[in-house]
Order: sequence, then structure tokens, then C-alpha cells
Amino acid sequence: QSALTQPPSASGSPGQSVTISCTGTSSDIGGYNYVSWYQQHPGKAPKLMIYEVSKRPSGVPDRFSGSKSGNTASLIVSGLQAEDETDYYCSSYAGSNNLIFGGGTKLTVL
Amino acid sequence: EVQLVESGGGLVKPGGSLRLSCAASGFTFSTYSLNWVRQAPGKGLEWVSSISSSTSYIYYADSVRGRFTISRDNAKNSLYLQMNSLRAEDTAVYYCARGYNWNDHFLIADAFDIWGQGTMVTVSS
Repeated sequence: QSALTQPPSASGSPGQSVTISCTGTSSDIGGYNYVSWYQQHPGKAPKLMIYEVSKRPSGVPDRFSGSKSGNTASLIVSGLQAEDETDYYCSSYAGSNNLIFGGGTKLTVL
Repeated sequence: EVQLVESGGGLVKPGGSLRLSCAASGFTFSTYSLNWVRQAPGKGLEWVSSISSSTSYIYYADSVRGRFTISRDNAKNSLYLQMNSLRAEDTAVYYCARGYNWNDHFLIADAFDIWGQGTMVTVSS
């Protein structure tokens, strides 16, 4: 199973919105509504931000939202803040009892 | 405080074995599925293995199936990963993580809400 495809980098100015894409296939993202997004600061463990495409765990700011269209999922970060600058990873159920992650996107707040 | 703490990492030669442990506290361990996820130096996350709360369901990534064994001891609030026939490409930080949701297809969680700090495994001669 190949990794999901994420852009290596994304950027936006404080207060703006930025969208990070995660592209898979009809066998993973396109076939199931089980996409998650994780935020990972350098040297730290990942933090769950979005699960099941668009659901937010308690404690995650509503500036973070998720969506999916076809084989591509998206993480939208609105009202960008300096603390949002870090790495983001998507994951998806891929059928046959497999989970796959994306390669990660480094978000820069300009 | 809800917490997961990994241990057991270290330097091992190719072909060698290592057993990782993950000690849980602050939550009812026996009711959650648990998982191992790894991250090679400077690379992205890779799912390794998952185990359901009652051990009825156990899954592995293709890259480790047949070499790694996941297990848990609900009486000791502990998760384990026995790693055999280790290869250089297994070098990574290994995280244990708690399952958060329910996946109707996977029959366990596919999103992970609590993560340990990770333990480094280096496979090198």
C-alpha cells in the first residue's frame, strides 16, 4: 500500500486560511470516511486534530476543520496563528485491515 | 493524568530481536484498542500494528507481518511489541497510541488520541 500524497510544504500569513491536501485512491480515502489528521511539533508525539474526515476531538480549536472530495481529503486551518507552524500528517483506513499515512506537510506561518 | 510511556528501545544488530513495552496509566486500559506507529529519522509516520481491547482483532502492516508480534496484558496495563529479524529499515522512533474512535470495517479504532513520547530503535551493525 503506497503512502498518501501530501504537499511537502504549505504557508499562509497570520489570520489567513490555508488548506493542506491529502490525495489517495478509491481504495483508501475515496472508499471510506475514515481520514484523520495529526499535528506534530518537532521532537514531540503527534496530536489528533481531526478524525472521520471532519470530526474534531474535544480541545481542538474550531479553527481546524476537515473535508473530503473523491480521493482527496483536506485540512483547513483558518485564522492562522504562529503556533500552528509545524508538521501535519493525514491518515486513512485503506481496507484489508490496513492504515496508511501521508508523507507530511510542513506548514509555515509567514 | 492519562499517559503512555514506552520503553525497551536501543541499538540492535540486523537479524536481532527487541521487545518494546508501553505502560499505561490514568484510564481504563482494558477498554481501549492500542497501536504501534513508527517514525524513521526525518521521515513521516508509519502504522505498524493494532490490537483490540480483548485481543480479538490483531493487525499488522505488510512491512512487519511475520516478524513483529503485538500483545497486551490488561492486568498490567501494558502493551508490547516483540520485534524479530530486525532490519536497518526498522530503525525509527516507535510510539504507542490509544485508539479513539470506532471503525466499522477495521472493527477497532483508526484514529489515535493519546500517544507516548516514543522509544528509539536503531538497527545497525
